[in-house]
Amino acid sequence: AQSVTQLGSHVSVSEGALVLLRCNYSSSVPPYLFWYVQYPNQGLQLLLKYTTGATLVKGINGFEAEFKKSETSFHLTKPSAHMSDAAEYFCAVSDQGSNYKLTFGKGTLLTVNP
Amino acid sequence: DSGVTQTPKHLITATGQRVTLRCSPRSGDLSVYWYQQSLDQGLQFLIQYYNGEERAKGNILERFSAQQFPDLHSELNLSSLELGDSALYFCASSRRSLKETQYFGPGTRLLVL
Repeated sequence: AQSVTQLGSHVSVSEGALVLLRCNYSSSVPPYLFWYVQYPNQGLQLLLKYTTGATLVKGINGFEAEFKKSETSFHLTKPSAHMSDAAEYFCAVSDQGSNYKLTFGKGTLLTVNP
Repeated sequence: DSGVTQTPKHLITATGQRVTLRCSPRSGDLSVYWYQQSLDQGLQFLIQYYNGEERAKGNILERFSAQQFPDLHSELNLSSLELGDSALYFCASSRRSLKETQYFGPGTRLLVL
């Protein structure tokens, strides 16, 4: 069965600092990997996704993530945090074994300090 | 704006009652998905409908049911409500299958008192 672990339920950074949100997954077959963002009182918005091909994936709002099969990781990064990045971030995995149903991590709340 | 709409935004009801949540998918999307987001369980997939037919099931309780109508909108019916059913319920849609990107609606916040 697939699963997702997001290390750190709450991450706090200063404006302009590097953002690093960690995600490790478990999947017995090649996974599809996703990062979604949820702003307060809103639905989830897709930031980026990995299916096949290039392991470094660029998304919206300057975010990117790298698929590392050997480490079963898909960490999300942004070189310079902006106040508007404050939100909850969810990592998700799907694969053929689960008929591509999405399994989400518990989420990481990102706080950006001025 | 994802193009997925959900009504109502908020719902307050009592234990034992029944409610219906409504979702309209993005124009052209044939698949609709329902998710539950709660503090203790996180985000969980409930069920998928494709062009009117149930296609995949997740952790959906027997007290819950869903359907998708010919105009492709979907309804999630929750009955015999319990306090633990209080959660945010999201609808998402995609063109066809689970392999494609899902676009989420703003959610319906259900509070069971």
